[in-house]
Amino acid sequence: QKEVEQNSGPLSVPEGAIASLNCTYSDRGSQSFFWYRQYSGKSPELIMFIYSNGDKEDGRFTAQLNKASQYVSLLIRDSQPSDSATYLCAVNLILTGGGNKLTFGTGTQLKVEL
Amino acid sequence: EPEVTQTPSHQVTQMGQEVILHCVPISNHLYFYWYRQILGQKVEFLVSFYNNEISEKSEIFDDQFSVERPDGSNFTLKIRSTKLEDSAMYFCASRAGQSELFFGEGSRLTVL
Repeated sequence: QKEVEQNSGPLSVPEGAIASLNCTYSDRGSQSFFWYRQYSGKSPELIMFIYSNGDKEDGRFTAQLNKASQYVSLLIRDSQPSDSATYLCAVNLILTGGGNKLTFGTGTQLKVEL
Repeated sequence: EPEVTQTPSHQVTQMGQEVILHCVPISNHLYFYWYRQILGQKVEFLVSFYNNEISEKSEIFDDQFSVERPDGSNFTLKIRSTKLEDSAMYFCASRAGQSELFFGEGSRLTVL
């Protein structure tokens, strides 16, 4: 079973619509969850992270976490063409010895169409 | 704004050659990482480094790979004898604690 699973897409939404991106993870010990955006040929950049069950809003973005279902999602309201990118879900584990590790999913490609 | 810097941005090498990729993490960060991304594929964890030692490494990070933090600022990834399948973008990253992981712009390695 993959550690972090995402639908690779592409997910196509019209401009102004809500884009919904989903992610499931396998390790119940995971403690924090991150959404990154990656444009082609560029490094990942953080959109937001969430620790607690429920919703967390930041501007047009809302992250939702359900630890019982091992599920985290990202909603993008009023989608813009500039939102077209690959969205990476990442899960953080604290390691014995004090280190930590972020494991990424394969990413979902989002296309926002005019 | 502080950033993670990586050099070189692109390196072309012959199979079997040694390559060293350089990274300067953000100065007050404690956790350091190397990830790689083969073209069109996922971002893969290679190694994490904390308190002057490797805290975890993936199956990819075999004996051909090593990391060093030779002084207070640099964090290097060495590949001893490169293979064709090592061609990828290598990202260095750092973080202060459990929050945001900051990525460098990446070093593209092409093995011929």
